[in-house]
Amino acid sequence: DAGVIQSPRHEVTEMGQEVTLRCKPISGHNSLFWYRQTMMRGLELLIYFNNNVPIDDSGMPEDRFSAKMPNASFSTLKIQPSEPRDSAVYFCASSPQGLVYEQYFGPGTRLTVT
Amino acid sequence: GNSVTQMEGPVTLSEEAFLTINCTYTATGYPSLFWYVQYPGEGLQLLLKATKADDKGSNKGFEATYRKETTSFHLEKGSVQVSDSAVYFCALRGSFQKLVFGTGTRLLVSP
Repeated sequence: DAGVIQSPRHEVTEMGQEVTLRCKPISGHNSLFWYRQTMMRGLELLIYFNNNVPIDDSGMPEDRFSAKMPNASFSTLKIQPSEPRDSAVYFCASSPQGLVYEQYFGPGTRLTVT
Repeated sequence: GNSVTQMEGPVTLSEEAFLTINCTYTATGYPSLFWYVQYPGEGLQLLLKATKADDKGSNKGFEATYRKETTSFHLEKGSVQVSDSAVYFCALRGSFQKLVFGTGTRLLVSP
C-alpha cells in the first residue's frame, strides 16, 4: 500500500507569493495532521482533521495559514502571502482514527521562501 | 503543559558501540511515550512505544523503559550500525491529546 503522499517535495518561492502544499493520506485513514519542522521550534502540530472536519487548529501560526480537507483522500495547506520565516519542512501524517492511533508520516515538503 | 527534553546532538559513535539517547518529560497524568526515527529525506517513523510505567518498548534492537519515578524514557541500543544514522525524536501523548515532540537528536555512526 502507498504511504502518505505529499507534493511538491521541494518548493522555492518569493516572499509574498501564495504557496499550496498537498497531501494524500493513507486510504482508509480518518484522521490527518499537518506538522511544521524548524530548527528553532522543532516539530509542531499545526492542525488536524477527523473525518474531514478540522478538530484543532490552535497550532496554525496566523491568518496567513489555512488548511482544507475537501474529501477523505486530499488535503491542502495554503500560505498566503508567504514570508521568509515560513521556510521549514511541512509534514502531513494520517492515522486510522484520531489521536490514539499511530500516525504515519509523509516524506515532507521542504519550503524555502526568499 | 506537557513537554519533552532530549539530549542535544549530534551523537557520534563508531559501529558496534553502545548507544544511549536521554529523554525526560513533564506531563500531568499518565502519558504514553514514544521514540520516532527520521532517516534522511524521509518522514518520521514510529520506532517503539510504552503506554504505562515500567513498560519496555523495543524494536530493531532499540529499547526504552518508561520510568515514572525519574520521568525518563531513555533510548538504548547495544551495538549500533551505520544504517542507524538518523534523527531520533522522543515524544509523549496525554490521554486523547496531541503528540508533543522533543527537538530531536542526530545520531551519526561511522564504520
